[in-house]
Amino acid sequence: EAGVAQSPRYKIIEKRQSVAFWCNPISGHATLYWYQQILGQGPKLLIQFQNNGVVDDSQLPKDRFSAERLKGVDSTLKIQPAKLEDSAVYLCASSLYANNEKLFFGSGTQLSVL
Amino acid sequence: DAKTTQPNSMESNEEEPVHLPCNHSTISGTDYIHWYRQLPSQGPEYVIHGLTSNVNNRMASLAIAEDRKSSTLILHRATLRDAAVYYCILMFSGGYNKLIFGAGTRLAVHP
Repeated sequence: EAGVAQSPRYKIIEKRQSVAFWCNPISGHATLYWYQQILGQGPKLLIQFQNNGVVDDSQLPKDRFSAERLKGVDSTLKIQPAKLEDSAVYLCASSLYANNEKLFFGSGTQLSVL
Repeated sequence: DAKTTQPNSMESNEEEPVHLPCNHSTISGTDYIHWYRQLPSQGPEYVIHGLTSNVNNRMASLAIAEDRKSSTLILHRATLRDAAVYYCILMFSGGYNKLIFGAGTRLAVHP
C-alpha cells in the first residue's frame, strides 16, 4: 500500500518568512498527526486530527503555527512568521482509527530557518 | 502521560541478539506498550506493541514483566539495518490515542 506522502522534502527560508508543508495520509486513515522533531530529540506532537476535526492541538504554537485538514484527507501545516528555533523536521503520520492503532509516518520535511 | 526510561545508547555486533530495556514504573492498567524505531533520515516506523503477554512478530519480540513496570524489545539477530533510535512509548487504550516520544535508545550495530 502507498505510504504517507509529504512535500517538500527540504525547505530553506529566512526568519520572518512563511512556509507551508503538505501531507497526504494513507487512503482511508481517519486520524492524522503532525510532529516536530528537533535535531537530537524525539518527535513532539503538534496537532492531531480525527477526520477533519482537531482533537488535540495543545502543543501547537498558535500564534505562528496553523494546520488544516481539507475534507478529512490531505493536510497542510503553516508557519507564519518563522523563527530560527522552528528549524526541525516536520513529520506527518496517519492511523486507521484513533484508538490504539499503529501510526504510519512519512519521511518528513526538513526545514532550515536562516 | 506515563513516562518511560531508556538508556541513551547501546551497541551490538551483527548477527547477535539485542535486548533493549524500558522502564515504565507508573504504567496504568489501560496503557499499551508500543515500540517504534527511526532509521536515519526517515520517519519512525512501528515495531511491536503489547499489553500484558509477550508478543512476537517478524521484526522483533516484546517481553513484558509480570508487574508491567518494565519491558524489553528483543532483536533476535541484529543486522546493520537495525541501527536506529528505538522508542518505547506508553499509549492509553481508550479515546484518542497519541504517541508521546521520549529521547529513545540509539542502537549501533557493528560488523
